[in-house]
Amino acid sequence: SQTIHQWPATLVQPVGSPLSLECTVEGTSNPNLYWYRQAAGRGLQLLFYSVGIGQISSEVPQNLSASRPQDRQFILSSKKLLLSDSGFYLCAWTPGANVLTFGAGSRLTVL
Amino acid sequence: AQSVTQLGSHVSVSEGALVLLRCNYSSSVPPYLFWYVQYPNQGLQLLLKYTTGATLVKGINGFEAEFKKSETSFHLTKPSAHMSDAAEYFCAVSDKRRSGGGADGLTFGKGTHLIIQP
Repeated sequence: SQTIHQWPATLVQPVGSPLSLECTVEGTSNPNLYWYRQAAGRGLQLLFYSVGIGQISSEVPQNLSASRPQDRQFILSSKKLLLSDSGFYLCAWTPGANVLTFGAGSRLTVL
Repeated sequence: AQSVTQLGSHVSVSEGALVLLRCNYSSSVPPYLFWYVQYPNQGLQLLLKYTTGATLVKGINGFEAEFKKSETSFHLTKPSAHMSDAAEYFCAVSDKRRSGGGADGLTFGKGTHLIIQP
């Protein structure tokens, strides 16, 4: 069966520090992968999606970047965090038909 | 452009009462529609979806939703609320034409927090 893993689960970082959140999917090949951010009262915002290795599409301009170095690995990064980067980050993949399967999320607090 | 409006950021019902969470959408093409549930500090889980066919869709945990094209609505209901239903609920719409089978064309509402009172 397919599973999706995200880590770390929680992270507290100072402003200006780097960030790396990792997501991996097991039990499938060539999945479409997604990074969403959830901020309080603002719903889910799609940040990046990837349809294959090295292929990244960005939905909104921001302080973050994404990479897909392997078929089932998706990484969210920042060189210098801002206070506004705080939030709950969700990785997801789709087996098709527009249905998303989400990871457990990574809660980032920037101080 | 598509959009989703969830009426009420918080809805409170008594245990055993009817649950009704409202969702209205706008889409230039016939949409795919979804409801997801999120428990505290967890990811989202699919409750149900409408793609084509029967407009009344049944999902997990006793929830169902009805696609009403004339009202551009996809409200979520459950006849009798249980304490375990307390969570955040998200309605989502997909522009099938753009998405091409992926989920990059998926737009989420801002969510409704369901509170169950004993």
